[in-house]
Amino acid sequence: GENVEQHPSTLSVQEGDSAVIKCTYSDSASNYFPWYKQELGKGPQLIIDIRSNVGEKKDQRIAVTLNKTAKHFSLHITETQPEDSAVYFCAAAMSGGSNYKLTFGKGTLLTVNP
Amino acid sequence: SAVISQKPSRDICQRGTSLTIQCQVDSQVTMMFWYRQQPGQSLTLIATANQGSEATYESGFVIDKFPISRPNLTFSTLTVSNMSPEDSSIYLCSASQGMRDTEAFFGQGTRLTVV
Repeated sequence: GENVEQHPSTLSVQEGDSAVIKCTYSDSASNYFPWYKQELGKGPQLIIDIRSNVGEKKDQRIAVTLNKTAKHFSLHITETQPEDSAVYFCAAAMSGGSNYKLTFGKGTLLTVNP
Repeated sequence: SAVISQKPSRDICQRGTSLTIQCQVDSQVTMMFWYRQQPGQSLTLIATANQGSEATYESGFVIDKFPISRPNLTFSTLTVSNMSPEDSSIYLCSASQGMRDTEAFFGQGTRLTVV
């Protein structure tokens, strides 16, 4: 089955700096890669995703890049703000079939210091 | 995006008892899932709830311990049976259009403590 590795496990940045979280996956059949933000006491919130036919996707201060050959994808947050502090999870899935399910990384605790 | 509501949001239960968690989606969805998240940990898929048929369980999870129902395209329940303190965790419901639309959305979770 799919295995997703996520690094780093914790990340502390100063407000205004950029943050990068990296994930690798094992199953070359995976074609859908979402990122979730989870705040304390809440469920995961989908913040951005990318499909394997795209190399990069951006949404305001958040961007995701995908390297299919190397089987890794990254989340980039620019101009970080204290409200970006949360746990971030990457995931991988093979979409388009009845066996669709997400495999999650172990998460990254991002702390943005004011 | 789908809005997912879970009930209860939290509960404290005695060991040996059972708790049923409800999940309601505000629109029809193809696929519904149940996850477990232990404190400070990642999400582990328990099972895929199939409408009109038995759920598909992941390795390490069995129907007798985690019976699941999905009577229609917007509702599912997860029961945690014969609970022990090791079952203390957050249980999350998720929904996706699956084949047509791959975004998966989550409920706010049910925080279960077994004493």
